[in-house]
Amino acid sequence: KNEVEQSPQNLTAQEGEFITINCSYSVGISALHWLQQHPGGGIVSLFMLSSGKKKHGRLIATINIQEKHSSLHITASHPRDSAVYICAVRIQGAQKLVFGQGTRLTINP
Amino acid sequence: NAGVTQTPKFQVLKTGQSMTLQCAQDMNHEYMSWYRQDPGMGLRLIHYSVGAGITDQGEVPNGYNVSRSTTEDFPLRLLSAAPSQTSVYFCASNKRQGAGPGEQYFGPGTRLTVT
Repeated sequence: KNEVEQSPQNLTAQEGEFITINCSYSVGISALHWLQQHPGGGIVSLFMLSSGKKKHGRLIATINIQEKHSSLHITASHPRDSAVYICAVRIQGAQKLVFGQGTRLTINP
Repeated sequence: NAGVTQTPKFQVLKTGQSMTLQCAQDMNHEYMSWYRQDPGMGLRLIHYSVGAGITDQGEVPNGYNVSRSTTEDFPLRLLSAAPSQTSVYFCASNKRQGAGPGEQYFGPGTRLTVT
């Protein structure tokens, strides 16, 4: 079993829908990252969080440390949000990140 | 700032050949890492460095060497290429935040094919 599991693996929605992508992990962590990989292949960091909630534009990330779970929400989704979203965790005491397999999101106009 | 740069963008090698993938960052980040990305596998850590002169193995280090003689550069060497090393390679850097790496900055990737 992977230390970081994302769901769903694939998600297709219509423009304007509210999107939720989930990340569960099985180890103690000191931080969790959400990344976005565009169809062209480039990877950008969206959020790094260790507690609570962060918001950037239409994107919201939440984390529940006790439940070992994080969610990435997209409000008023748009076709340009189509990408692979990747969750990664920094395990407590470690200097490296462990990645989930990603969620492929497609937003249709 | 150029951020994280990688060269080359594409490379085709024959089995047994060696080569070096270059990675450089101009943000004075302490941490640098190399990942490979294969279909259905997600990003897997090959090697990483927490500062100049310090490197460590990741999840899939076999067949690869790294060195970190400067803060800016972190080259990845393939010693004797094998078809199993066909992949997309990403270099990333992070500034230290607290006791570990902070926000990650990724290079554009190198698509390597070994025939």
